[in-house]
Amino acid sequence: DSGVTQTPKHLITATGQRVTLRCSPRSGDLSVYWYQQSLDQGLQFLIQYYNGEERAKGNILERFSAQQFPDLHSELNLSSLELGDSALYFCASSPRGQKTDTQYFGPGTRLTVL
Amino acid sequence: DQQVKQNSPSLSVQEGRISILNCDYTNSMFDYFLWYKKYPAEGPTFLISISSIKDKNEDGRFTVFLNKSAKHLSLHIVPSQPGDSAVYFCAGRGFYGGSQGNLIFGKGTKLSVKP
Repeated sequence: DSGVTQTPKHLITATGQRVTLRCSPRSGDLSVYWYQQSLDQGLQFLIQYYNGEERAKGNILERFSAQQFPDLHSELNLSSLELGDSALYFCASSPRGQKTDTQYFGPGTRLTVL
Repeated sequence: DQQVKQNSPSLSVQEGRISILNCDYTNSMFDYFLWYKKYPAEGPTFLISISSIKDKNEDGRFTVFLNKSAKHLSLHIVPSQPGDSAVYFCAGRGFYGGSQGNLIFGKGTKLSVKP
């Protein structure tokens, strides 16, 4: 158990819909990262937050957005969903969001778009 | 453009033997390389890392070797145990998306250790 929690574990929805994935970092960690793992892809970095502020952006679509709240939990919002958005979405946290930090991953949310 | 490549989707070894997982990269800006292990229905777990200025790092049964000139690294597990059966991801760490520290992962290699 990494100490990172993600809800829900599974999510099934239809094309065109909007969903919100939630992540609670390990106690004391200030930085949160979001990754997407599609069927034939490795984990793709989406976005990073540090203490409520966006720090870095990766391959995140414009239909996707995220935020980190004052209590440090983070939400990833996916809108106008397409079939290709079906994937595992992982959240990771680290103490300071610095490159020397180890990232600790949550168990993931499996999103299925029908 | 895949900056980190794990060309073997799967590997099967006998318990007690050596497992060698390979990884190639194209980005010379990576300053650290990491290996993560992932069991089904769980998130990836950090296993071992190596700085780009080193050529070897060892932690118990796990050793990572880095060949910078070949842009190649490998993870050796000796001896392999059935509990090592998992998907192993290689990742490079460096500047990405405007900030340092973010990880670029390969697609993973599924290791099966047979009793």
